[in-house]
Amino acid sequence: GENVEQHPSTLSVQEGDSAVIKCTYSDSASNYFPWYKQELGKRPQLIIDIRSNVGEKKDQRIAVTLNKTAKHFSLHITETQPEDSAVYFCAAYSSGGSYIPTFGRGTSLIVHP
Amino acid sequence: EAGVVQSPRYKIIEKKQPVAFWCNPISGHNTLYWYRQNLGQGPELLIRYENEEAVDDSQLPKDRFSAERLKGVDSTLKIQPAELGDSAVYLCASSPRILGGSYNEQFFGPGTRLTVL
Repeated sequence: GENVEQHPSTLSVQEGDSAVIKCTYSDSASNYFPWYKQELGKRPQLIIDIRSNVGEKKDQRIAVTLNKTAKHFSLHITETQPEDSAVYFCAAYSSGGSYIPTFGRGTSLIVHP
Repeated sequence: EAGVVQSPRYKIIEKKQPVAFWCNPISGHNTLYWYRQNLGQGPELLIRYENEEAVDDSQLPKDRFSAERLKGVDSTLKIQPAELGDSAVYLCASSPRILGGSYNEQFFGPGTRLTVL
């Protein structure tokens, strides 16, 4: 089955700095890679996603890059703000006959004012 | 438009007792997912429904867990009997139908936090 590794587990930055979270996956048949933000005690919410036919996608301060050859994808947040503090999860969805999504273990991002 | 609704939000039970969780997906969403999220980890899929059919349940511990989605709308997830290790947040999510292998955004409910004593 799919295996998703996410790093780092904790990331602490100063307000205004950039933050980068990386994920690797094992199943070359995976073709959909969303990122979720989960604030403490709240539900995960999609912040950006990318499909395997695209190498990069950007939405304001958030961007995701995908390297299919190396089987890794990354979340980039620029000009971080305290309200960006949350746990971020990456996920990989396989199209190889079973649509089982596999999530990373999460990255706790702390943005210091 | 209302989001995914789950109840109860919190549940505390003694081990060996049964427990049930309920989920009402977003109207019109054919696909429904149940996840378990342990503290400090990402969600782990338990079962996925397309309408009323369970199409991915390989990760559901079938000796004690069961689920149903009658009429392809609301769904219930049951644990009987519960064990200490079942303490977790149980998340329900829904999305529009998967077409041609192309995924759509999943919308999560608030979850049910289960504590087994």
